[in-house]
Amino acid sequence: GAVVSQHPSWVICKSGTSVKIECRSLDFQATTMFWYRQFPKQSLMLMATSNEGSKATYEQGVEKDKFLINHASLTLSTLTVTSAHPEDSSFYICSARDRLALGELFFGEGSRLTVL
Amino acid sequence: KNEVEQSPQNLTAQEGEFITINCSYSVGISALHWLQQHPGGGIVSLFMLSSGKKKHGRLIATINIQEKHSSLHITASHPRDSAVYICAASGGSQGNLIFGKGTKLSVKP
Repeated sequence: GAVVSQHPSWVICKSGTSVKIECRSLDFQATTMFWYRQFPKQSLMLMATSNEGSKATYEQGVEKDKFLINHASLTLSTLTVTSAHPEDSSFYICSARDRLALGELFFGEGSRLTVL
Repeated sequence: KNEVEQSPQNLTAQEGEFITINCSYSVGISALHWLQQHPGGGIVSLFMLSSGKKKHGRLIATINIQEKHSSLHITASHPRDSAVYICAASGGSQGNLIFGKGTKLSVKP
C-alpha cells in the first residue's frame, strides 16, 4: 500500500535552534499534505495544509513564521520549527493525499520533538 | 461541544470479545475516516467511508449519513488490537480532517 515516510522519527534540540521535519510520499504523488501536532493524551490538531507549489494555509493560532512549511515537489513537504522553545516539544505528524485516489489519506509515522 | 464525538473514551476487553466504538459528528462531511494510533505514535488509516459499510479482515466500519453516526467494530479481538482508535471527519474545500479525541482500547489476553 501507499507509504508516507517521515523523518526524523525523533529529535532533541537546544532551545533557539531550528529543526526540519520531512514528509515524503514514497509511491504516489501528493498534491496536498497536512501537518498535525499532538500533545500527550490529546487528539491531533491540524496545523497547516500544504499544497504543492503554493503557500501553505495555516490554521488559526499557528504562527506561520515559526512553523515554516515548504511543499516544493509532489512527493515532499517539510516543516521547519524555527527558534524552537520547550513549549514546541510535541509529536508532529504529516499526512498526504494521493493525487489519484480521491480523498485517500496516508499518514507518516510521526516525529517526536523535544526542545531542551 | 466537539464537532466529532467518540465513545467510549477508554475500553478494556478480553481477547475474543466483539468491540464497538462509536463516532458522532455534527458537521457536513465528504468522508469519515477511522484511524489507528499505536503507542509509538504512528497512525494507520483503517477506513475511509462516505456511505454504507466496509470490511477489512476483522474490522468493520459502518456509517449512517442521515444520523451522522459511524461505528467501528472489531470481531474476535486480540491483544495486538490494543491501540487508540480515532474517528475523523473530512470536509472543507481541501478535505482537512476534524478529529475525535480517540478511544483507547486495551485487549487483555
